[in-house]
Amino acid sequence: ETGVTQTPRHLVMGMTNKKSLKCEQHLGHNAMYWYKQSAKKPLELMFVYSLEERVENNSVPSRFSPECPNSSHLFLHLHTLQPEDSALYLCASSQAAGEVGGYTFGSGTRLTVV
Amino acid sequence: AQSVTQLGSHVSVSEGALVLLRCNYSSSVPPYLFWYVQYPNQGLQLLLKYTSAATLVKGINGFEAEFKKSETSFHLTKPSAHMSDAAEYFCAVSEGSGGYQKVTFGTGTKLQVIP
Repeated sequence: ETGVTQTPRHLVMGMTNKKSLKCEQHLGHNAMYWYKQSAKKPLELMFVYSLEERVENNSVPSRFSPECPNSSHLFLHLHTLQPEDSALYLCASSQAAGEVGGYTFGSGTRLTVV
Repeated sequence: AQSVTQLGSHVSVSEGALVLLRCNYSSSVPPYLFWYVQYPNQGLQLLLKYTSAATLVKGINGFEAEFKKSETSFHLTKPSAHMSDAAEYFCAVSEGSGGYQKVTFGTGTKLQVIP
């Protein structure tokens, strides 16, 4: 399978639940990203992993916890979320900085917090 | 610091008409520039990219963009709109940073194609 795959595509969770979003890439990329896309807001960069090391955390609340066990997989662990966390969560991957090919995005997980 | 400004959050064109989506950038270094397209409930898909080779860049689905350094612009065009072009389009600028690509996205322009 090629490209970036995100699962699940849709997720409804209560505020007390714990769930995880999964992202997988088979492109040989060595950087992976989590973005949040809310209605009427610009894309928000949440986390960046380069060579499995977290290199950027854009003031994201601790109820979001990323994990990158290897260069092909990225997780976003969710717990005690708020309704305002409902959004489309996008995973992307890319080559290192020296090869500017842009990002490859997954199809996203549509998260609804009830 | 880099930034991108997309003029017009919504653009409507008739089917068969010219599509013009505007993007201006700011970058302290020679920029890498991109256009992405997003269909409903999908991720973003790369349309085209400028990486300092030819200033006129051709992408998928008949789109192209021209890099104009003097105007700090990277507008996206398509000669004849098709119904399937209805989507949201994002302009983006990138610079390398510490082993990964730091991409800044514009706020997006929704393209409506009227039959």
